Amino acid sequence: GAVVSQHPSRVICKSGTSVKIECRSLDFQATTMFWYRQFPKQSLMLMATSNEGSKATYEQGVEKDKFLINHASLTLSTLTVTSAHPEDSSFYICSARAKDTDPWDYNEQFFGPGTRLTVL
Amino acid sequence: ILNVEQSPQSLHVQEGDSTNFTCSFPSSNFYALHWYRWETAKSPEALFVMTLNGDEKKKGRISATLNTKEGYSYLYIKGSQPEDSATYLCAFSGSARQLTFGSGTQLTVLP
Repeated sequence: GAVVSQHPSRVICKSGTSVKIECRSLDFQATTMFWYRQFPKQSLMLMATSNEGSKATYEQGVEKDKFLINHASLTLSTLTVTSAHPEDSSFYICSARAKDTDPWDYNEQFFGPGTRLTVL
Repeated sequence: ILNVEQSPQSLHVQEGDSTNFTCSFPSSNFYALHWYRWETAKSPEALFVMTLNGDEKKKGRISATLNTKEGYSYLYIKGSQPEDSATYLCAFSGSARQLTFGSGTQLTVLP
């Protein structure tokens, strides 16, 4: 149980285009999903927290107009990188917290396998 | 900015060796400490959630200890096997209830 999928696993795009990444909880409902980014040799850094049916909360330094997050259902959140530039090339990974989990249940999160974005 | 550090950054051991690595984290506003095992091209897999000072948890050959007063956790692997090769991540959860990750320890077990 508690499987999270992410699609695509790898994407290469041209500078200036937009890329959408999907994060799905396959066997549970997720009230809250998280988006992280990882640059080489660095740790996973939280970009934003999205709650189903409401606006995402972005971490300091993350441009909300560049990284559009939609969490329209209890099993799907999407991250759209708009007008991508080479500096947006990174590894993006999502996680989900189950709907029936006590919000303070040690913040257990289930992760997708990540998406490698390369912007040429 | 919370500082979560893991050491060593990478480690090579022979099959059968036991090994351990460290996660250090802020000792104030502690809520939980998570350990994840992350194999290439797969999702990070939760190993342990540790919440109480002095906690010790075990899963097969892997165990972890927690010291919240001094802000560190150790992960031990007894009798390492090639399938243990992975990156081991720790993540601190404080009063903000978010996860702050260390950069991981990359373990390679040589047959």
